Amino acid sequence: QQQVKQSPQSLIVQKGGISIINCAYENTAFDYFPWYQQFPGKGPALLIAIRPDVSEKKEGRFTISFNKSAKQFSLHIMDSQPGDSATYFCAATHTDKLIFGTGTRLQVFP
Amino acid sequence: NAGVTQTPKFQVLKTGQSMTLQCAQDMNHNSMYWYRQDPGMGLRLIYYSASEGTTDKGEVPNGYNVSRLNKREFSLRLESAAPSQTSVYFCASSLRGSAFNQPQHFGDGTRLSIL
Repeated sequence: QQQVKQSPQSLIVQKGGISIINCAYENTAFDYFPWYQQFPGKGPALLIAIRPDVSEKKEGRFTISFNKSAKQFSLHIMDSQPGDSATYFCAATHTDKLIFGTGTRLQVFP
Repeated sequence: NAGVTQTPKFQVLKTGQSMTLQCAQDMNHNSMYWYRQDPGMGLRLIYYSASEGTTDKGEVPNGYNVSRLNKREFSLRLESAAPSQTSVYFCASSLRGSAFNQPQHFGDGTRLSIL
């Protein structure tokens, strides 16, 4: 069974702090690693994605760090804001089918 | 700009009843997907369709059937609902499949309870 393991399950951060969510995978054939953000009552939406030929990708306050040898990747949210409070899913694939992690519920308090 | 539209938004069924969840996208996407989301288990793929006229099983297809009616519409049917199928169901679409690094666009879900 292909899996993507995500941690932590929940995360509480103060406004202005750094939120870090980690994911690990086993299948070395995976070649696309997106992160999705989901607000309550809504469907997930693509936040940022990376391919394994780069070690880091940054878009605004959101950064993906990728460690191919360790088969791990992580999402860093700099200067976390209350509006970032949501559930975050990592995912991976090398086919048409995305394999999602189990999700991290992030709460950012003022 | 509707994107992916799912109907109904909420539904309560009794065990053994049947039901069809509807999904339509207006982005001229080729690939469409059905997921279920359960607490602590993330999103699990039920079925997907790479193009009109084709469907393929995902991780959890048992108890479900799908129809890709045309390029816009992809429906999910529960023939005999069971309490284990209580979940939030999401439909998604992408221009091409994830193998081409195409983002998936999700609807807002159908919340289904089976008593």
